[in-house]
Amino acid sequence: EAQVTQNPRYLITVTGKKLTVTCSQNMNHEYMSWYRQDPGLGLRQIYYSMNVEVTDKGDVPEGYKVSRKEKRNFPLILESPSPNQTSLYFCASRLFGGPYNEQFFGPGTRLTVL
Amino acid sequence: AQKVTQAQTEISVVEKEDVTLDCVYETRDTTYYLFWYKQPPSGELVFLIRRNSFDEQNEISGRYSWNFQKSTSSFNFTITASQVVDSAVYFCALSEETSGSRLTFGEGTQLTVNP
Repeated sequence: EAQVTQNPRYLITVTGKKLTVTCSQNMNHEYMSWYRQDPGLGLRQIYYSMNVEVTDKGDVPEGYKVSRKEKRNFPLILESPSPNQTSLYFCASRLFGGPYNEQFFGPGTRLTVL
Repeated sequence: AQKVTQAQTEISVVEKEDVTLDCVYETRDTTYYLFWYKQPPSGELVFLIRRNSFDEQNEISGRYSWNFQKSTSSFNFTITASQVVDSAVYFCALSEETSGSRLTFGEGTQLTVNP
């Protein structure tokens, strides 16, 4: 089944404790992206990757890191989480061919930083 | 810069009513793409439709229809004879040809369909 998977689905952590949210897709998509969803703000892009070893900042990259060492994986790293990073996070992927391709989203990771 | 506005934060209707969700966008590109996604209470994001800027034909899919009007920069979504299962948050999104890496979402509209 074609899908984007994220782990963990739920995470409660404390300020300053490094964490990684994994994202994996099995559709051989070149493009992957991370979003955060906050009430009243919709989804905002954090980082995206056009292909392996190619990443760039989205609209709200502060406090986050990403890496793309393999085509299928695109982990999101919070080196020192803070309470304002409490949010619902989505990973997405699509074919690189063009922005007309719809993005396929993972199930989401709900993160709480105390 | 691209921007999407969904002015309706919440809409509440009674089952079988028709409801329209508004989406207004801003872009300087002549080639762009508009999307609608549905987020049911379970939380996942479900792709509903894509429209490119050169195709202003309205589209109907069952009880769903979309009205794309470039003159007013709007891409509205209508649900006919709404059902309780339509209750969800609906997002409109925009992607420009020149900045194809970005998908800009609106704030979302929470639709509640009451029995």
